[in-house]
Amino acid sequence: NAGVTQTPKFRILKIGQSMTLQCTQDMNHNYMYWYRQDPGMGLKLIYYSVGAGITDKGEVPNGYNVSRSTTEDFPLRLELAAPSQTSVYFCASSYYQGGDNEQFFGPGTRLTVL
Amino acid sequence: AQSVTQLDSQVPVFEEAPVELRCNYSSSVSVYLFWYVQYPNQGLQLLLKYLSGSTLVESINGFEAEFNKSQTSFHLRKPSVHISDTAEYFCAVRPSYGKLTFGQGTILTVHP
Repeated sequence: NAGVTQTPKFRILKIGQSMTLQCTQDMNHNYMYWYRQDPGMGLKLIYYSVGAGITDKGEVPNGYNVSRSTTEDFPLRLELAAPSQTSVYFCASSYYQGGDNEQFFGPGTRLTVL
Repeated sequence: AQSVTQLDSQVPVFEEAPVELRCNYSSSVSVYLFWYVQYPNQGLQLLLKYLSGSTLVESINGFEAEFNKSQTSFHLRKPSVHISDTAEYFCAVRPSYGKLTFGQGTILTVHP
């Protein structure tokens, strides 16, 4: 049981390039989330999904897109990368949302946009 | 809407000293409270959580947190820290049905 896995671990992009951050979970969780973590800012929710085919915006969705074609995978797409997207990105999953349900986090992807 | 304020961005302590990481929250509805820990170059892990009942909750590695409803606080404490406790700690809140809101994080550095 690998939990939540993310690839790549590190990436450097040039301004205007695009990339996809991959996230996979093997716990059969319905809910999946993408956060970005910036120093001194905590974690901000970018997008989340309540199940295959259903996604919704979080607090900071601009510049990102997501899709959820399967229960296991929740990729995050960056189109036209900007320096403001330099951050550490975490994917998380949970069985359901709310209450005492624990979110499980992946190890993160450290992205630098130059 | 909810908000979380962690009052200290960095807390340096010596090994075997006590530590308190402070967390205050604001919410118009009842919330569940969480502390997550992030060790260097890793993702977040749940440390402990308050749901209901006893206001003092404990983790398996000696941390405890006390829910204070009147002060809307959920401070994290440990009576004697180890080098291995060096990490960033996040306080978070969530209503009965809703999304997690995280604080800004507190970096705990334990010195020998």
